[in-house]
Amino acid sequence: DVKVTQSSRYLVKRTGEKVFLECVQDMDHENMFWYRQDPGLGLRLIYFSYDVKMKEKGDIPEGYSVSREKKERFSLILESASTNQTSMYLCASSWGGLNIQYFGAGTRLSVL
Amino acid sequence: DQQVKQNSPSLSVQEGRISILNCDYTNSMFDYFLWYKKYPAEGPTFLISISSIKDKNEDGRFTVFLNKSAKHLSLHIVPSQPGDSAVYFCAASAGSSNTGKLIFGQGTTLQVKP
Repeated sequence: DVKVTQSSRYLVKRTGEKVFLECVQDMDHENMFWYRQDPGLGLRLIYFSYDVKMKEKGDIPEGYSVSREKKERFSLILESASTNQTSMYLCASSWGGLNIQYFGAGTRLSVL
Repeated sequence: DQQVKQNSPSLSVQEGRISILNCDYTNSMFDYFLWYKKYPAEGPTFLISISSIKDKNEDGRFTVFLNKSAKHLSLHIVPSQPGDSAVYFCAASAGSSNTGKLIFGQGTTLQVKP
């Protein structure tokens, strides 16, 4: 079975803190994705990566950055957390050229 | 610009009846469509997909229909079971891209009543 693991299920941070969300997949997938899920807005793509050290902006990249130093790991960074970044964050991965994405369980982040 | 739309935020059906979830899209370059199911506090899980060369794909109780001329797809669940209660997302991709990027709809919350 494909496994996508997100390091934390719940996080509470203060405004202005630097926040790291980690995601690891064990299926040697080329593609990795970060989404946020908000009520009524569905899943919105923040960043994705199709290879090590490669990254592309998604639909809502402002306030976020990413890092992919190893194929299995994709990190989402909030440089200075703000209250409007309170959300559910979902990581996903897929094989190159194929469209079925496999998701982690999500990290619910609260920024106070 | 919402390229994939699920206009019904919620749907309630009786156990044993049919559930029909709808999805509309605007981008004619989309050629592969997927449905995901999401329980609270879990990540979405892949349910069923369809390529644009087909108009129907069936997997057990789940059938997806694609109407390319109307840019519309639907997911039918027959018979519906209480365990099907979840949020359902449709998603679309343009196959020319090899990054596997998906565009998701807003989701429809299905409640199946016993």
